[in-house]
Amino acid sequence: DSGVTQTPKHLITATGQRVTLRCSPRSGDLSVYWYQQSLDQGLQFLIQYYNGEERAKGNILERFSAQQFPDLHSELNLSSLELGDSALYFCASSLLGASFYGYTFGSGTRLTVV
Amino acid sequence: AQSVTQLDSQVPVFEEAPVELRCNYSSSVSVYLFWYVQYPNQGLQLLLKYLSGSTLVESINGFEAEFNKSQTSFHLRKPSVHISDTAEYFCAVSVRSGGSNYKLTFGKGTLLTVNP
Repeated sequence: DSGVTQTPKHLITATGQRVTLRCSPRSGDLSVYWYQQSLDQGLQFLIQYYNGEERAKGNILERFSAQQFPDLHSELNLSSLELGDSALYFCASSLLGASFYGYTFGSGTRLTVV
Repeated sequence: AQSVTQLDSQVPVFEEAPVELRCNYSSSVSVYLFWYVQYPNQGLQLLLKYLSGSTLVESINGFEAEFNKSQTSFHLRKPSVHISDTAEYFCAVSVRSGGSNYKLTFGKGTLLTVNP
């Protein structure tokens, strides 16, 4: 157990739908990162939050949004889902906003869009 | 922008053979370098990291990586692999992305398959 909790582990939904992925960071970590992992694109950085505020943005689609709540858990919202959104979505956390000590990853949410 | 290139997408080896997984990065500034491992159906786990100091870093399970600034490489090696080392390995570089913030950029991964 890495200390980063992601729910749900698996999600199957239809095209056009909206889903919410949840992440609880490791105790003491203030920064949360979201990544998308697919076979063709590899591991793609989506977005980072630090203590409730957006800190960095990567290749995140406009249909996707995220937030970090006062208790530091984060949610990634994916809407108007397309088949190509099927992927593993990972959350990671780190102490403060610096990643030079690396991230701690959750076990991921596998999203299947049918 | 920084990038990470893992030169081999798949590396099959036999048990007890040596292995090298190659990683090159492009960055004009100081970087911190990492190797992560992903076992089947699991998240990524930190294997080892280079922050500063000795260019040779080791993990607890026998892997080592050497930071080579002139060749901008951070190859991962193990002198004798076990079947349990079968996993996907990701090289990553951390570079300042603004202020005091850093961001990890990952390579596409190398699938290491150890056969009996």
